[in-house]
Amino acid sequence: QKEVEQNSGPLSVSEGAIASLNCTYSDRGSQSFFWYRQYSGKSPELIMFIYSNGDKEDGRFTAQLNKASQYVSLLIRDSQPSDSATYLCAVTGSQGNLIFGKGTKLSVKP
Amino acid sequence: DTEVTQTPKHLVMGMTNKKSLKCEQHMGHRAMYWYKQKAKKPPELMFVYSYEKLSINESVPSRFSPECPNSSLLNLHLHALQPEDSALYLCASSPSVNEQFFGPGTRLTVL
Repeated sequence: QKEVEQNSGPLSVSEGAIASLNCTYSDRGSQSFFWYRQYSGKSPELIMFIYSNGDKEDGRFTAQLNKASQYVSLLIRDSQPSDSATYLCAVTGSQGNLIFGKGTKLSVKP
Repeated sequence: DTEVTQTPKHLVMGMTNKKSLKCEQHMGHRAMYWYKQKAKKPPELMFVYSYEKLSINESVPSRFSPECPNSSLLNLHLHALQPEDSALYLCASSPSVNEQFFGPGTRLTVL
């Protein structure tokens, strides 16, 4: 059974700082990795996906993948109070479903 | 149309009621999913439909019955639920085995 581990937090950063969210996964054969953002009471929203080792940047967000270490991270630059949410790391299961970590709660303080 | 819609947004039902949740997408996605999410927990997979055929049933109790009438529509029929089934029910669709897009969810309360 694939497993995804995240630090549940809460992670607190100041406005304008860099928030770093981390995730490890158990199945070395995993190919696809996703970061979702979920505001309280809302559904998960896809922020980024990454398939290849290295970095992938999209605006203020950078996803980093290290398959040798089975490690995925999400960096949020210039953090804003509106970034305060729970961030879910996910990998693709054997039938195309998503297997989620427990999520990291991020709080960005003005 | 680039979104997944779900109805109703909220549902309160008694343990003897029968109700249905509806999910719809018009993006041509051929995979659709039902997830259940309890408070402060990640979404947990319930069912997967691929090309309108059920391909996974993650040992979900029979009081939950999925249905996929066509490639755009997914239903979840509910009968004789328990209070512990109260949760946010999420529908998602996917164009491939990769990224999934979630609907807004149905907040279900079982009394």
